[in-house]
Amino acid sequence: DVKVTQSSRYLVKRTGEKVFLECVQDMDHENMFWYRQDPGLGLRLIYFSYDVKMKEKGDIPEGYSVSREKKERFSLILESASTNQTSMYLCASSLPDRSNTGELFFGEGSRLTVL
Amino acid sequence: QKEVEQDPGPLSVPEGAIVSLNCTYSNSAFQYFMWYRQYSRKGPELLMYTYSSGNKEDGRFTAQVDKSSKYISLFIRDSQPSDSATYLCAMTKGAQKLVFGQGTRLTINP
Repeated sequence: DVKVTQSSRYLVKRTGEKVFLECVQDMDHENMFWYRQDPGLGLRLIYFSYDVKMKEKGDIPEGYSVSREKKERFSLILESASTNQTSMYLCASSLPDRSNTGELFFGEGSRLTVL
Repeated sequence: QKEVEQDPGPLSVPEGAIVSLNCTYSNSAFQYFMWYRQYSRKGPELLMYTYSSGNKEDGRFTAQVDKSSKYISLFIRDSQPSDSATYLCAMTKGAQKLVFGQGTRLTINP
């Protein structure tokens, strides 16, 4: 069965702290994504990666960075957390373009609160 | 103006009703159209997928795409309390980057 695992379901951090959100997929997918989900705004793409050590900015990359050292793992980093980064963060993976219909497989989400 | 517009609701209907969920979009290059369902405290999962215009039926669910009007719909027949969830439309030109609607929160009342 397809599985995307996000290591932390709920986190509470203080302003200025460095935050790591980890995501692991067991489907050997090339593509991985980080979204944030906010009421009334839907899902917005932060960063994505088509291959190991590759990354591309999405629609809202400011304040975030990512790391993909291994194919199965994609990390989202908040260098200095701010209150406006309080949100639900969703990791997803998918097959490459040539064999993909656009289906994303999502993890269960990490709810981050920044105080 | 957002590329994809979806009424966030909330929408509340009695069990057994027919539910209609809709999205409009502005980019005529979109070719692949999807509906994702998201239960509370879970990630979204793909419910229906349609390529280009037309209808697609899967059990109680029907997805419609009208590219001339830039309008897509999801119909749920004989709605059940287990259908209560947030429904997100999504679309793409064919590359990986999906564009999502805001999501409609649906409650089916027993």
